Parts: sequence; structure tokens; C-alpha cells
Amino acid sequence: EAQVTQNPRYLITVTGKKLTVTCSQNMNHEYMSWYRQDPGLGLRQIYYSMNVEVTDKGDVPEGYKVSRKEKRNFPLILESPSPNQTSLYFCASSLQGRKNIQYFGAGTRLSVL
Amino acid sequence: GQQVMQIPQYQHVQEGEDFTTYCNSSTTLSNIQWYKQRPGGHPVFLIQLVKSGEVKKQKRLTFQFGEAKKNSSLHITATQTTDVGTYFCAGTPMDSNYQLIWGAGTKLIIKP
Repeated sequence: EAQVTQNPRYLITVTGKKLTVTCSQNMNHEYMSWYRQDPGLGLRQIYYSMNVEVTDKGDVPEGYKVSRKEKRNFPLILESPSPNQTSLYFCASSLQGRKNIQYFGAGTRLSVL
Repeated sequence: GQQVMQIPQYQHVQEGEDFTTYCNSSTTLSNIQWYKQRPGGHPVFLIQLVKSGEVKKQKRLTFQFGEAKKNSSLHITATQTTDVGTYFCAGTPMDSNYQLIWGAGTKLIIKP
């Protein structure tokens, strides 16, 4: 089954404790991205990747890191989480980029205390 | 900066009433996509519009793309409980490499 898999689905952590949210897709998509969703603000892009080893900042990259060492994986790293990063996070992939259908993972709800 | 305004933020309707959400872009778009997010779920692609003035229908849903390719709408006829969720538009700016610009979403709520 074609899908985007995020883990974990839920995470509670404390300020400053490094964490990684994993994202994997099995559709051989070139384009992957991370979004955060906050009430009233819709989806805001954090980082995106056009292909392996090619990443770029989205609208709200501060406090986040990403890497794309393999085509299928695009982990999101919070080196030192802060409470303002409490949010719902979605990973998405598409065949070649922004003009293509975006397939979303189920989401990761993160709480930073 | 580039943005897409989506209104209203919420719409309460009685089951059987119609629902409409509108998106207006500050820049010309090469295409616009619509997504639906059920409560507790993730956004799911509904449709993509590419041509100026394009109208597409999916059963009770009608999608329009404006002549100037700067606005779009989604209209649902005779809403049902299965329509509950948040509807997002996402546009691709025509003249830049900027990524998808997302509207903030319209939440459809069915009154009990």
C-alpha cells in the first residue's frame, strides 16, 4: 500500500531534549516536506527536499533541521525543543514537487513542556 | 509576501444546507489544489485545477478556478455529516519557485 509513515504519532518531551521525528514513503517520490499545523494558521512548511541531499527552508525553519540521505526517508530533527514548537506535524511527499499531489502522513502531535 | 486568504474560517450549517469556501491569492497561480482534513486526520487531496475559468465537479462538490487564476472556490451542495472537516486550498505561484501557498482552511461544522 502506498503510504507516508511518520513516527511517533504522539510525543511529550521537555525543553532542550533533542528529538527526531521519522518520515518514510514507499512511492519513490522525489519531493518530501515537513509542515506544522497550528489552530487558525493552517499548514506552514518547515523544510522541503527536492531530492536526495537537496533540502531547503520553508516558511518556518527556525529550530528545526532535516536531512535526506535516502530517497524514502526525511527525518525532522529538533535539536533543542522549546514550548513554542508544540504543534501537530505532518510529513508529505509528492512525485516531483509542488505542482503534484501531496500525500500526507498521519501526523505527529508533539508537546514540549 | 505571497499569501492565500481563505474565508470563512468556520462555517456552521444544518445538514442539507450548502457550504462554500473561498480562496484569494495575492499572486497569479499556475494551479490550485484542494484538500480535506477530517477531524483527527491528515489532509487528503481532493482535486487540482489548472486552467483559467476551470470548473470541476465531484458528486456534490463543485470546484472553480477564477479567470485570472488568483481565486478559487469549493461549493458543497446539500451537506452531509460525512462532509465534516477542514477544507484547504493550496496554490502554486506562477512566477516564482516558491513552494505551495496554503490557505488557513475552512472548518465545516454540521449543527446538531
